Order: sequence, then structure tokens, then C-alpha cells
Amino acid sequence: DGGITQSPKYLFRKEGQNVTLSCEQNLNHDAMYWYRQDPGQGLRLIYYSQIVNDFQKGDIAEGYSVSREKKESFPLTVTSAQKNPTAFYLCASSIWDSNQPQHFGDGTRLSIL
Amino acid sequence: RKEVEQDPGPFNVPEGATVAFNCTYSNSASQSFFWYRQDCRKEPKLLMSVYSSGNEDGRFTAQLNRASQYISLLIRDSKLSDSATYLCVVNGAGSYQLTFGKGTKLSVIP
Repeated sequence: DGGITQSPKYLFRKEGQNVTLSCEQNLNHDAMYWYRQDPGQGLRLIYYSQIVNDFQKGDIAEGYSVSREKKESFPLTVTSAQKNPTAFYLCASSIWDSNQPQHFGDGTRLSIL
Repeated sequence: RKEVEQDPGPFNVPEGATVAFNCTYSNSASQSFFWYRQDCRKEPKLLMSVYSSGNEDGRFTAQLNRASQYISLLIRDSKLSDSATYLCVVNGAGSYQLTFGKGTKLSVIP
């Protein structure tokens, strides 16, 4: 089945700890994205990547880092500098075309211990 | 003005009712428009793209009014399974970035 796989589904972070969220897609999409969703809020863009080895900051990149070493993979690291990391994190991918929709993985819920 | 604005609801409607949602957007240069649905604690899923001429998919009809910068979604013959939050999505200031509205919550009641 083609799709986007995020793992883990639930993640707990201790104070001062970095954690990495995995996102893998087998849709052969060039573009990948990371969003954060807080309760009752819209999705906010953290980072996006158009091609391998290239990525751009979104609206709320502070405290996060990404890499794009393979077309299929776009992991997100939530660093200790992100002081309010509790949220629902969604990874998406799309054809790099402004008329194309994005398709989402089923998300990772991150909480503070 | 917010980039993408939706009435948060909730809209509580009986089964079989027709319900309409509107969404306004601020960037007149926007070219792509979509409706997504999001179930509680799940990921957003594409419901339909919105084309200039309007488009229909079964019980769902989407319309675009560029002059007034709004998009609408009409759901006919509502089912219990239509209960979800509906997200209006527009490509934003950077044309490859999508801007999501906060969503309109629909509850279809038996």
C-alpha cells in the first residue's frame, strides 16, 4: 500500500531531552512537510523540503530541526530548546506543484513527562 | 484579516439535513483550494479539491467565489459518518505552502 508512515504514534519527552519523530513515504513524492497542531488550532508549518538535501523553515521552526537525506524520509527532531513541545505532529507529502494537495501520515502525539 | 477564516461551529444537524460551510481567504493571489476532513484525534484527509467552475462529488459540492474570496462546502443528506471537523485549505503567500483554517466542527445527530 502506498502511503505515509509516522512513528511512534505516542512519544514522551523528558526535560532537556531531544526526541526524533520518523516520517517515511512510498508515494514517490518530492515534497515533504512537518506540521504541528494544538487543540482547537489549525495546522502550523514547521519545516518543508522540496528535494533531497534541501529544506526550508516554516512559520514555527524554532526549537526544531530536520534532515532530508533520502527522498522517502524526513525525520523531525524536537530539541530541548522547544519549551512547549506537547502537540500533535503531522507529516505530509505531495507532488511539488502548487495545485496538488498534501497527503498526511497518521501523526505522532508528543507529551512532556 | 486572518489568512483563512472559518466559522468554528459546532454545527449540530439532524440526519438527512443539508448543511453549508463557508471559508474566507485573504490572499487574492491564491490559486489552489481544498477541503479536508479531520476526525477526532486523527490526521486530516483530503475530501475534495475546489475548482473555479465548482465541483461535485456525490453528496458534496464545493464552490469558489474569487471576487469575494470565499469557498463553500455543501453537504446534502447528512449521514452520522459525516460528523467531523472540516478544514478549509488555501495555498498561501508562498505559493507552494498551504494555509489551513482552524476548521468547522459538524455533528450529525440521529
